[in-house]
Amino acid sequence: GEDVEQSLFLSVREGDSSVINCTYTDSSSTYLYWYKQEPGAGLQLLTYIFSNMDMKQDQRLTVLLNKKDKHLSLRIADTQTGDSAIYFCAELKASGGSYIPTFGRGTSLIVHP
Amino acid sequence: DAGITQSPRYKITETGRQVTLMCHQTWSHSYMFWYRQDLGHGLRLIYYSAAADITDKGEVPDGYVVSRSKTENFPLTLESATRSQTSVYFCASSDERRLLVKGYTFGSGTRLTVV
Repeated sequence: GEDVEQSLFLSVREGDSSVINCTYTDSSSTYLYWYKQEPGAGLQLLTYIFSNMDMKQDQRLTVLLNKKDKHLSLRIADTQTGDSAIYFCAELKASGGSYIPTFGRGTSLIVHP
Repeated sequence: DAGITQSPRYKITETGRQVTLMCHQTWSHSYMFWYRQDLGHGLRLIYYSAAADITDKGEVPDGYVVSRSKTENFPLTLESATRSQTSVYFCASSDERRLLVKGYTFGSGTRLTVV
């Protein structure tokens, strides 16, 4: 996870918006992902964005991509207690003919009632 | 839809013992991966496989061995377990054609403790 940086913790109140930030280093990355990990479970894909897009919206989730700054963010509107989880940013890189994602260390989102 | 299953769910072993973690997927996905998750390090790739009989090292392969004789299985073996290998291990799979927009599917993980 050295190439993808995320802050480790974020705490918000229920009903507020959450913004989780990520920076990546490989400008050739074509796809960027957000995964969610709930306690005791594996990672689940939340959403992805292609590098030629600036924004993608999917219900309460908004992904913003700033290619110039290599900055990716995930905004969760009207955050609920069920959104409490670890969120991982990942970039997809080509490696010897295969595509291998590199994950960040994850941001723990804590939602207070 | 059985998906991807890992076994065992929890394992305690002694230093120096050999232990094998199992991963089985029912989709005939070509790609399979092993990650370890540790506090402060996030997810680190141990080994991956693009197809049966094809495996490659990831970021942290030392002390681990993998094999892929059948598409659906990708076991991970710790040849001589050390305390530093105490971790949560995740297996993942993906269809090469859908990888870009579907990402990986992860198993529920195996929590391994080496004492």
